[in-house]
Amino acid sequence: GAVVSQHPSRVICKSGTSVKIECRSLDFQATTMFWYRQFPKQSLMLMATSNEGSKATYEQGVEKDKFLINHASLTLSTLTVTSAHPEDSSFYICSAGTSGGGNIQYFGAGTRLSVL
Amino acid sequence: AQSVTQPDIHITVSEGASLELRCNYSYGATPYLFWYVQSPGQGLQLLLKYFSGDTLVQGIKGFEAEFKRSQSSFNLRKPSVHWSDAAEYFCAVGRANQAGTALIFGKGTTLSVSS
Repeated sequence: GAVVSQHPSRVICKSGTSVKIECRSLDFQATTMFWYRQFPKQSLMLMATSNEGSKATYEQGVEKDKFLINHASLTLSTLTVTSAHPEDSSFYICSAGTSGGGNIQYFGAGTRLSVL
Repeated sequence: AQSVTQPDIHITVSEGASLELRCNYSYGATPYLFWYVQSPGQGLQLLLKYFSGDTLVQGIKGFEAEFKRSQSSFNLRKPSVHWSDAAEYFCAVGRANQAGTALIFGKGTTLSVSS
């Protein structure tokens, strides 16, 4: 099956620093990638949709200047949490979709971000 | 508005017993429906999906789900649960997005398996 690699799996940073999370589709080209956020014992909330070569589409309430998304190629999307604060601590999960087959999404293993 | 409801927050099943996890959705058109499983600290693994056709779909690990349009439901079933099935289960519905199908998730059901 399709594999999505997400890195790092865990990151601890100081308040005010920026953190970059990478999401790679390893064996397929992803026309679309999605970024979700998951709070403890909660569901996944869609943050944004990124398409290769164009600007990301952010969900209502998500600060685009806070969560920078870059989808530079068909296999890589990055999420940068800028000037991170403790309230940004969460589990971030990316998924990659293909244009065919009903747009099934394949998920990365997630990144646990802890901001001190 | 599109939404997914998983009425059961936590279910405990004896090993070897049957399992049914409930999922109801609200959607304006024919939905794409999915069940995912998440182990602690991990990403999501697709168990099965429904797009069209036969309303009873088979998935991996012995799971199946039945789409019932009249009830707006997509319940997940397994005839005999194994201890390794203990995890978080999410039902999701796909909606048309600007570029691809973003998913709306239910809040999840935690499955515990007792021996």
